[in-house]
Amino acid sequence: NAGVTQTPKFQVLKTGQSMTLQCAQDMNHNSMYWYRQDPGMGLRLIYYSASEGTTDKGEVPNGYNVSRLNKREFSLRLESAAPSQTSVYFCASSETGGRGYGNTIYFGEGSWLTVV
Amino acid sequence: QKEVEQDPGPLSVPEGAIVSLNCTYSNSAFQYFMWYRQYSRKGPELLMYTYSSGNKEDGRFTAQVDKSSKYISLFIRDSQPSDSATYLCAMSGGYQKVTFGIGTKLQVIP
Repeated sequence: NAGVTQTPKFQVLKTGQSMTLQCAQDMNHNSMYWYRQDPGMGLRLIYYSASEGTTDKGEVPNGYNVSRLNKREFSLRLESAAPSQTSVYFCASSETGGRGYGNTIYFGEGSWLTVV
Repeated sequence: QKEVEQDPGPLSVPEGAIVSLNCTYSNSAFQYFMWYRQYSRKGPELLMYTYSSGNKEDGRFTAQVDKSSKYISLFIRDSQPSDSATYLCAMSGGYQKVTFGIGTKLQVIP
C-alpha cells in the first residue's frame, strides 16, 4: 500500500519555466491537498479538492493551478516559476472533509523544488 | 499574531528524558487537535489526535489539551534517539482548514 505518491522528488527550474507536480493516492480518499512548507512559515495550503470534480483555493494559491484528474490523482502546475516558489511541496489526502475536518491527513514524501 | 504559535527550537535532550512540546492558539473555534511527526526529508505523519479538552495517552506519548488556556502539549516519556524529528501541532474547528504550527525540532542525544 503506497499511500500518497508524488513526483518528482527533486526539480530545479529556471525562472519562467513551467512544470507539473504529480500526485496519486491509493486509499480511496475523497479529499486531496497541496501544501508548501517553508522555514519559519510551516505548512501552508495552496489548493485543495474536497471531492472529485471540485477544487478550491487555499491560503497561497497565486502562481499555481491544480487539476483533479480523477479520484486518485491531483496535480499542481506552476505556469511561470518564480524564485519565491522555491519550497518543499507536499501532496496529501484525507477520507472526507474538504479541509481535513476530523480526519487524518496523509502526506506524501515531498517534492523539493528550486527555482533559479 | 499567528493563529497557532509553536517554538521552533531546536530542543536537545538526553536519551531517557521526558520531553514537553507545546503550542498556543488564538482561535476558540478549534476543537480538533493533532500532533504530527516529521522526520528529515519526509512528509508529516499523524502521531496523536484529540477532540476537545483532556488527555490522551498512546504508549510513551501523551497529548493534553487545555481549551480554557488555549494551550496544547505533547509529552514523550523515556525519549529515544529515534524520536528525533520535527513535531508539528495542528488544529481545526471542523469544516475549516487545518492550521499547522511551524514545528519544533527535537534531538534526542544518546
